[in-house]
Amino acid sequence: EPEVTQTPSHQVTQMGQEVILRCVPISNHLYFYWYRQILGQKVEFLVSFYNNEISEKSEIFDDQFSVERPDGSNFTLKIRSTKLEDSAMYFCASSEVGGLKETQYFGPGTRLLVL
Amino acid sequence: ILNVEQSPQSLHVQEGDSTNFTCSFPSSNFYALHWYRWETAKSPEALFVMTLNGDEKKKGRISATLNTKEGYSYLYIKGSQPEDSATYLCAPGLGWGKLQFGAGTQVVVTP
Repeated sequence: EPEVTQTPSHQVTQMGQEVILRCVPISNHLYFYWYRQILGQKVEFLVSFYNNEISEKSEIFDDQFSVERPDGSNFTLKIRSTKLEDSAMYFCASSEVGGLKETQYFGPGTRLLVL
Repeated sequence: ILNVEQSPQSLHVQEGDSTNFTCSFPSSNFYALHWYRWETAKSPEALFVMTLNGDEKKKGRISATLNTKEGYSYLYIKGSQPEDSATYLCAPGLGWGKLQFGAGTQVVVTP
């Protein structure tokens, strides 16, 4: 069964460093998403992406964050200058079509620790 | 941002028993409600997308109902098994594919 994959599974970085989290969505999906969960808190929406453009972003997704689909398979989240509060589990998701009634398929997450 | 509440926060169930728990959300401007099952160290697994008042969906021993007028959904597990142990998340759909998650109900099924 097709699945969303994410790499790395864990990443440790120093505050101020740039990190790139990678995702391979399901191959025929066209809509892509990033969510995060800070330990002990709810899963939060970060951004949705379609046709090489951001469709919607949350207040969390400030200028320090960017997303890109560099080729036909990968979808990346970049954090330019990490802060301690960026430590979280980051989930990528994809859906075949867009809209709030469509099932989003999630990857296993990347646990980011900023020291 | 919607206020999405799930209760209880956690529950322990004996194997073979049935259980249910609740997701509450504001009833105005409702469009869709998603249920996910999330086991530790695995991807959250989509269970249901519910859109219509009175909707009832079923997947194996798990079922869910939806009341959009009063703003709640119940998820039921019939004859719980240890493999049902997971955190169950609900999320109304907002905007263009944005899901607003509740904090989840953690279910522990003991043999």
